Amino acid sequence: AQSVTQLDSHVSVSEGTPVLLRCNYSSSYSPSLFWYVQHPNKGLQLLLKYTSAATLVKGINGFEAEFKKSETSFHLTKPSAHMSDAAEYFCVVSESGNKLVFGAGTILRVKS
Amino acid sequence: GAVVSQHPSWVICKSGTSVKIECRSLDFQATTMFWYRQFPKQSLMLMATSNEGSKATYEQGVEKDKFLINHASLTLSTLTVTSAHPEDSSFYICSARDRDRGLGYTFGSGTRLTVV
Repeated sequence: AQSVTQLDSHVSVSEGTPVLLRCNYSSSYSPSLFWYVQHPNKGLQLLLKYTSAATLVKGINGFEAEFKKSETSFHLTKPSAHMSDAAEYFCVVSESGNKLVFGAGTILRVKS
Repeated sequence: GAVVSQHPSWVICKSGTSVKIECRSLDFQATTMFWYRQFPKQSLMLMATSNEGSKATYEQGVEKDKFLINHASLTLSTLTVTSAHPEDSSFYICSARDRDRGLGYTFGSGTRLTVV
């Protein structure tokens, strides 16, 4: 069965410093992996997705993630945090191209 | 890009009444739609998967008779919470899969349901 572990429930960074949100997955097959962002009381917005093409995936708003099969990781990074990045981030895995399994989420706080 | 419209964005209802939430794909045909529930400070939990023209597939522990899902067309799915109780208060989010875009999933903006 597939599962996702987001290693940090909360991450706090200063504006202008790098962001690292960690995600490990468990999957029997070659998974598809996603990062979504959710602002309070809003739906989810796709940041980026990995679907067995390039292992370094670039997304919107300067975010990127690297798929590392040997480490079963898909960490999300951004070189320089902006205040508007404060939100909750979900790492998501999908097998068989259908059902999505969500991680518990990481709340990112950006300090000015 | 793909857009999913979810209505209403929030609703307050009395205990014992039913509430219908709509999820529409505006610019694509959604062969599959998903309904999620999100409790405060928790992740999204899949409730059910609906395919156009067929019965929804419910996840374990989700009451089929309480959460009625209809996916009558390629652009519309509805979730009806029947005989709502305060414990049904939650944030409900739909997602649609665009069959022409492979693995693309687009999420609605969510519905905050409060049962009083």
